[in-house]
Amino acid sequence: QQQVKQSPQSLIVQKGGIPIINCAYENTAFDYFPWYQQFPGKGPALLIAIRPDVSEKKEGRFTISFNKSAKQFSLHIMDSQPGDSATYFCAARFGDTDKLIFGTGTRLQVFP
Amino acid sequence: GAVVSQHPSRVICKSGTSVKIECRSLDFQATTMFWYRQFPKQSLMLMATSNEGSKATYEQGVEKDKFLINHASLTLSTLTVTSAHPEDSSFYICSARDSTGPYEQYFGPGTRLTVT
Repeated sequence: QQQVKQSPQSLIVQKGGIPIINCAYENTAFDYFPWYQQFPGKGPALLIAIRPDVSEKKEGRFTISFNKSAKQFSLHIMDSQPGDSATYFCAARFGDTDKLIFGTGTRLQVFP
Repeated sequence: GAVVSQHPSRVICKSGTSVKIECRSLDFQATTMFWYRQFPKQSLMLMATSNEGSKATYEQGVEKDKFLINHASLTLSTLTVTSAHPEDSSFYICSARDSTGPYEQYFGPGTRLTVT
């Protein structure tokens, strides 16, 4: 019930490609769904986030699609660049405690 | 804005000693801070929730007597790993929730702990 499932575990794309990372959850107590980018040896940095009453949110090259009925959400990175190579985590937040539950992570490699 | 710092960034200690890690919100007040642990190539696992002026709340399976948390002010929380053992070697990351904002947690850069 507390899990957030994330796939794929790793992803390799060419520069300019559109990697898509998927997450799924079960617990309807989650009320906020952020995505984080983490480089080796660094803390995670917030990329973009969405609330469940919105089906899509776009910020720059990053887009979240949210399907509330299916309890799934995904991150799309448009026009991917080698600098986007990092590990991406989805997360879900419990509304009453602010606790974040993280997905298992996706290691993205973008080749020139 | 919304910067969270951690000190030290790296620490090596001998087995059996204690290590203190500081987490500071530099430009905002945080009544709530969170401590996470991340093993290599794994996800972040929440260890505990730290509330200013009250006792921390620990996640299931986290030993509260081993991982002592103190949130003495609105900008500082500390995690002390007591009697550290090699299996405690990990990347420890804190986050701070802006008291004036509705949702965001801002993460620190992490502390790499190595116990020899």
